[in-house]
Amino acid sequence: GAGVSQTPSNKVTEKGKYVELRCDPISGHTALYWYRQSLGQGPEFLIYFQGTGAADDSGLPNDRFFAVRPEGSVSTLKIQRTERGDSAVYLCASSLGGSQETQYFGPGTRLLVL
Amino acid sequence: DAKTTQPNSMESNEEEPVHLPCNHSTISGTDYIHWYRQLPSQGPEYVIHGLTSNVNNRMASLAIAEDRKSSTLILHRATLRDAAVYYCILRDVPNNNDMRFGAGTRLTVKP
Repeated sequence: GAGVSQTPSNKVTEKGKYVELRCDPISGHTALYWYRQSLGQGPEFLIYFQGTGAADDSGLPNDRFFAVRPEGSVSTLKIQRTERGDSAVYLCASSLGGSQETQYFGPGTRLLVL
Repeated sequence: DAKTTQPNSMESNEEEPVHLPCNHSTISGTDYIHWYRQLPSQGPEYVIHGLTSNVNNRMASLAIAEDRKSSTLILHRATLRDAAVYYCILRDVPNNNDMRFGAGTRLTVKP
């Protein structure tokens, strides 16, 4: 079956611009996670959705970052006024149920802010 | 959060066993030990997890010390496709929704 997909695979933008990154989870998975991975580091948790609601957004670095999941399936991570330090790979994962389930990751979106 | 310590890198020869260590001296009673790996240019993938007893699956084995302060991921016969970064993660499942990744161990497999 289809895994987690993320679009675009690569995004280049200029400092100060707004970007949206999309995640399509595995069908039927109620939990969805966003992570950010800088070069040479492990993924860093950003936000966790259970259904349509953000159950834990403690990892979002500041108010420029926002994520939505309006219908409990597809999620969009939104970054306003991008900065060069936002350059990273943004990973999305989904799991069947709650936090005890195995997470299945997408290939990530590589964001480069010039 | 309980923290894990792993070597930065390890090397193995193809078709030989690999033992990847992880120290987690501050582990709590409700922490599960999870292992994920990340192949080049891909997202992480689940390998195995356990609580107290040793675990086996088709990918690997997980050996957990009796005091649970350390564990070892065992790949029985390394292949070139096993070259990846391996992450050891503690999940206090009833209380935490996310996974806290460290830097992991970069495994190189030599032909």
